[in-house]
Amino acid sequence: DSGVTQTPKHLITATGQRVTLRCSPRSGDLSVYWYQQSLDQGLQFLIQYYNGEERAKGNILERFSAQQFPDLHSELNLSSLELGDSALYFCASSDGGRGHSYNEQFFGPGTRLTVL
Amino acid sequence: GQNIDQPTEMTATEGAIVQINCTYQTSGFNGLFWYQQHAGEAPTFLSYNVLDGLEEKGRFSSFLSRSKGYSYLLLKELQMKDSASYLCAVRDQDSGTYKYIFGTGTRLKVLA
Repeated sequence: DSGVTQTPKHLITATGQRVTLRCSPRSGDLSVYWYQQSLDQGLQFLIQYYNGEERAKGNILERFSAQQFPDLHSELNLSSLELGDSALYFCASSDGGRGHSYNEQFFGPGTRLTVL
Repeated sequence: GQNIDQPTEMTATEGAIVQINCTYQTSGFNGLFWYQQHAGEAPTFLSYNVLDGLEEKGRFSSFLSRSKGYSYLLLKELQMKDSASYLCAVRDQDSGTYKYIFGTGTRLKVLA
């Protein structure tokens, strides 16, 4: 158990809909990262937040957005969903904020999104 | 552009040593990571290299050559539980921000 929690575990929805994925980082971790993993594309970095502010951005679509709240949990919002958005979405957290560089990321169990 | 290459699949025998190579091309290299991912599970961190050389951690070691854009993960005394995908990832710095770029992973099968 990494200490990172994600809800829900599974989500099935239809094209055009909007969903919200939730992540709670390990206690004390200030950085949260979001990744998408699909069969044909491997693990893709989407976005990183540090203590509530966007810190790094990967190949995140404009239909996707994220935020990190004052209690450090994070949400990833996916809208106008397409079939190709079906994937496993991972959240990770790291100990940025304890004086260490952001090296080791701890991954949550993931949310499996199926778009029908 | 940014690119990471690693072999798609490898097979090795229990008790043996296996080396998984990774080559990368980035404009603002800021560290290389190796993760292990068992099927259906989340990735788990194995190692981090930012300077040239070898980092050893138990049965696993990781090597980096920044001038060659090359890294390898060495797994010794292979066990059946080492059957998993191994992901090479690079942190790339660009205009003051970072990106994490992952390879597609190497599926390692350990045979008895």
